[in-house]
Amino acid sequence: DQQVKQNSPSLSVQEGRISILNCDYTNSMFDYFLWYKKYPAEGPTFLISISSIKDKNEDGRFTVFLNKSAKHLSLHIVPSQPGDSAVYFCAAQNFGNEKLTFGTGTRLTIIP
Amino acid sequence: DAGVIQSPRHEVTEMGQEVTLRCKPISGHNSLFWYRQTMMRGLELLIYFNNNVPIDDSGMPEDRFSAKMPNASFSTLKIQPSEPRDSAVYFCASSPTGAGNSPLHFGNGTRLTVT
Repeated sequence: DQQVKQNSPSLSVQEGRISILNCDYTNSMFDYFLWYKKYPAEGPTFLISISSIKDKNEDGRFTVFLNKSAKHLSLHIVPSQPGDSAVYFCAAQNFGNEKLTFGTGTRLTIIP
Repeated sequence: DAGVIQSPRHEVTEMGQEVTLRCKPISGHNSLFWYRQTMMRGLELLIYFNNNVPIDDSGMPEDRFSAKMPNASFSTLKIQPSEPRDSAVYFCASSPTGAGNSPLHFGNGTRLTVT
């Protein structure tokens, strides 16, 4: 039972354009959402997060949008750069519970 | 800050053998997590500890898997006996608080291959 789903295994985007990565969740108890970035042979690293009391959070080139009614979140990267090529994992959590549930990941490739 | 340290980086073993993966969390972090990454299921939580006590082991796939945290600076994940389907990358992560909403800090993982 995959409670956090990333339905696109891969995505290719031209350098300088916008990358949009999507994530859906099924558990309505989730109230905190995170994105992690993973390079080959390294562990995932935290990128950006959003609480369910917000619908948008921005950090430089990265913006996460949350649509609670649709149980959907997305990560926007603008402009995309070659160093953004990595696997991106969406994760979700219940407040007060440390357990993080991850999706299966989306491999983003930025084409120079 | 040395980060989360995992050993070995790679492990190749034969079916039926015992495998022990090791993790040193970041000093001062109270919580430690073991995850397994596969293509089909992404990152799955196997078990996590808070203040060295196992809190949730519902993700441990079978009795062949066991994890310990004898002190705040060391944890092991053991598979005995190992099977080919255990082949995956195993990550250890730690976080500073027990209250949630703290990003996890991951190690670089152990790639396990069981032949």
